[in-house]
Amino acid sequence: DAGVTQSPTHLIKTRGQQVTLRCSPKSGHDTVSWYQQALGQGPQFIFQYYEEEERQRGNFPDRFSGHQFPNYSSELNVNALLLGDSALYLCASSSPQTGSNYGYTFGSGTRLTVV
Amino acid sequence: KNEVEQSPQNLTAQEGEFITINCSYSVGISALHWLQQHPGGGIVSLFMLSSGKKKHGRLIATINIQEKHSSLHITASHPRDSAVYICAVFSYKYIFGTGTRLKVLA
Repeated sequence: DAGVTQSPTHLIKTRGQQVTLRCSPKSGHDTVSWYQQALGQGPQFIFQYYEEEERQRGNFPDRFSGHQFPNYSSELNVNALLLGDSALYLCASSSPQTGSNYGYTFGSGTRLTVV
Repeated sequence: KNEVEQSPQNLTAQEGEFITINCSYSVGISALHWLQQHPGGGIVSLFMLSSGKKKHGRLIATINIQEKHSSLHITASHPRDSAVYICAVFSYKYIFGTGTRLKVLA
């Protein structure tokens, strides 16, 4: 049973470019959350998708957008990249039935470097 | 002030030592999650608890809801325990602590 799969694992982009990160949730999970983790910091909540809609959003600018597909996979898009967007981007999945009892399952992350 | 505070931020121990990592939070929660993050980023779930105590192998986690405090204990620590341990509280979303960087020396 595959856990959460994220792609790519590493990515280097130039300032001003756009990037798309992808996440496939654990089998049976339908909710996907995205987090940004700067070096030496704890993860910060970006947004959560459920039923193909953004359900909650953290304190991130509109440059950060997302999408969830009918198969529950999700994309995180970041436009007009800034140097400060360099971070590890983590995806976590859950289901309404298990989230509050068993927590989320995390992917290994995508390390984005903006130069 | 962060809503989730962990202490210590950094910890170096000798192999075999008993280790305690603390987490205090200031918001209402439905559960608290202890996570382990190794270099490279992958996060592994250790415990999720909403009351009392849980034990898995050499790891023990406790939570006191009234005091808004949780502890993660590692007995007979080993160099492979070296990692960042993150406390995350959960209501409708996670709020993470900044982590405790543990290094266990052989």
